Order: sequence, then structure tokens, then C-alpha cells
Amino acid sequence: QSALTQPASVSGSPGQSITFSCTGTSSDVGNYNLVSWYQQHPGKAPKLIIYEGSKRPSGVSNRFSGSKSGNTASLTISGLQAEDEADYYCCSYAGNNTFVFGGGTKLTVL
Amino acid sequence: EVQLVESGGGWVQPGRSLRLSCAASGFTFDGYSMHWVRQAPGKGLEWVSSISWQSASIGYADSVKGRFTISRDNAKNSLYLQMNSLRAEDTALYYCTKGYSVVVPASPDYWGQGTLVTVSS
Repeated sequence: QSALTQPASVSGSPGQSITFSCTGTSSDVGNYNLVSWYQQHPGKAPKLIIYEGSKRPSGVSNRFSGSKSGNTASLTISGLQAEDEADYYCCSYAGNNTFVFGGGTKLTVL
Repeated sequence: EVQLVESGGGWVQPGRSLRLSCAASGFTFDGYSMHWVRQAPGKGLEWVSSISWQSASIGYADSVKGRFTISRDNAKNSLYLQMNSLRAEDTALYYCTKGYSVVVPASPDYWGQGTLVTVSS
């Protein structure tokens, strides 16, 4: 159970689009269409923003979108806003009733 | 409204035990899988354990396997985590979370506010 690989930090300006990567293996990300993405603001509990790779829970802005290619999942935020500044985590099912998170990416809105 | 309220955290010496509890409300508890996820101070999220709705399927992270035991009482709408042989590296905020689906292996959607476990001598 190795953590999924995410870049430590990304930054962007308001209005831009930004993409986060999440790299796993053929045992997790590559083997299941069960990648979720979470947004976490400082001092708050995480919030589910994408599940099953590309689906958005009710109430989540359509500025958030997800995709997957091979062993890498991606989260894109379009029309970046100041309120999007947060930590973002990916999570994948890894078989045998186990899950694995990525190390998280800190988004800075310039 | 879904509510998950953790309790049982605190300070404990290395090698000792602690039992976390989570009281759930606002959804059909016995219809969903549940998870424990932890976050060490200043660090990222780490999945700890999950249990299916009827407790038939259980999984653990390698880091806690053999030391932690997850369980649930559907009659009491409660989730538990028995933590034995605690280590300093188990120090973290422990979140009780609900799986998002009844159909597939479902990662967390709703999260509690967490209960802090500190393991130190």
C-alpha cells in the first residue's frame, strides 16, 4: 500500500484552469474506476468533490472535473477562484477492501 | 442532515490501548460502508480501515494491521476503532467517515470533525 503520488504544490491566477495529477499503479488507479478527489481547507474536514473518476456530488461546482488515463488520475479546476485555495487529495480503491490516498497538493491562488 | 460525531481520543502512552467511537445520524447507517481516516499534525490524509454495511468485508492499512480492529453496531448507529499497541506514529486526528455508495467499494463522502489521539510518553 504505497501512497499515490501527487505534486506537493501548484499555483495559478484567478480565472485560469489548473490540473492536478495523481499517479498510482496498475493495482489501484489503473485497475479501478474508483478515484475520488477531496478538497480540504485549513482546520476543516475534507470535502468530496469528485468520485468514480469524474462524477460530481450534488452541490459541487461544475468548475471541478476529473479524468483518468492509465495509472494517472487528474483533477481540473477551471475559472480558478480565491476560495479554491486549499489542499487537494486523491484517493483510490486498491482492492481487498483497502483504499489509498495521495500525499496531497497545496493549491495557491496568486 | 448527516452527522458523524467521534469520541474517545486523548493522550495515551506508547504500547497502551484506546477505543474510538463514532455516533452516526441523518442517514440509513446499516446501508453504507464506513471508514476511519487519520491525519497526523501538519500531514496528509491516511486511510486506516473500512467496514462494509454488514461487517462482512473489512480492510486495514498495512500500518495498523494486527493492531487496530474496526467494528460497528448497526442497532446503535455506531462505528468503533479499537487501537492496541499504540505507537508515536499513530498520533493523529482520526476522522469517522461514511462511504458514498451502497453499490461499489466507496471512498468517504461525509466526514466527522475528528478526534485527536496523541501517543507520547
